[in-house]
Amino acid sequence: VQLVQSGGGLIQPGGSVRLDCSVSGFTFHKFAMSWVRQAPGKGLVWVSSIGVSGGTTFHADPVRGRFMTSRDNSKDTVYLQMNDLRVEDTALYYCVKEQYVGGTTYFDAWGQGTPVTVSS
Amino acid sequence: SYVLTQPPSLSVAPGQTARVTCEGKDIGYTKVHWYQQKPGQAPLLVVSDGSDRPSGIPERLSASKSVNTATLTINRVEAGDEADYYCQLWDFGSEQRGVFGGGTKLTVL
Repeated sequence: VQLVQSGGGLIQPGGSVRLDCSVSGFTFHKFAMSWVRQAPGKGLVWVSSIGVSGGTTFHADPVRGRFMTSRDNSKDTVYLQMNDLRVEDTALYYCVKEQYVGGTTYFDAWGQGTPVTVSS
Repeated sequence: SYVLTQPPSLSVAPGQTARVTCEGKDIGYTKVHWYQQKPGQAPLLVVSDGSDRPSGIPERLSASKSVNTATLTINRVEAGDEADYYCQLWDFGSEQRGVFGGGTKLTVL
């Protein structure tokens, strides 16, 4: 199982960026995916989740309305479109494979992380 | 909605037992999972509540729960166990979301 992330970088406040996560080693269209972020020196924070078909998404309160999560099952890739970025969005963003078993969801594979820095 | 609280730090001598706690109202009625994160690395699932032990995770690591507390127990602590540990659950409320605890830094003395 591999999750390879790209995108990110240094973005000005109010700007936009897209993170890509290309996966291999598992049947992508059978698994929901999440994004999790970690601000410098801080803990893990769940950002968003997308269902297997892409028709269902959930976003954390701080990013709802600004971030959009999508997927392309023909390309085995999940995306995080980040708009109207704020300084507090500065973090390492992880692409994560969800595992739904027995009425719970956990994260059993993680990408390498993509840094996003929002600064003028 | 759930809020998970972990102690910021814990120190344990090699060979002793470390107990990392995660507190939250009624979390004993749901499933709580645990991750280990070493510096510069992505988190690693170490305990999946209700599922088989993840591949490569030693039996020294185990988890338990009471009504308001989940605990990760690490027996016979080794230097390689030094890391940050996070608890996590999934909130199936009207707006589903993942929830993490704030993390506990385990220092092996």
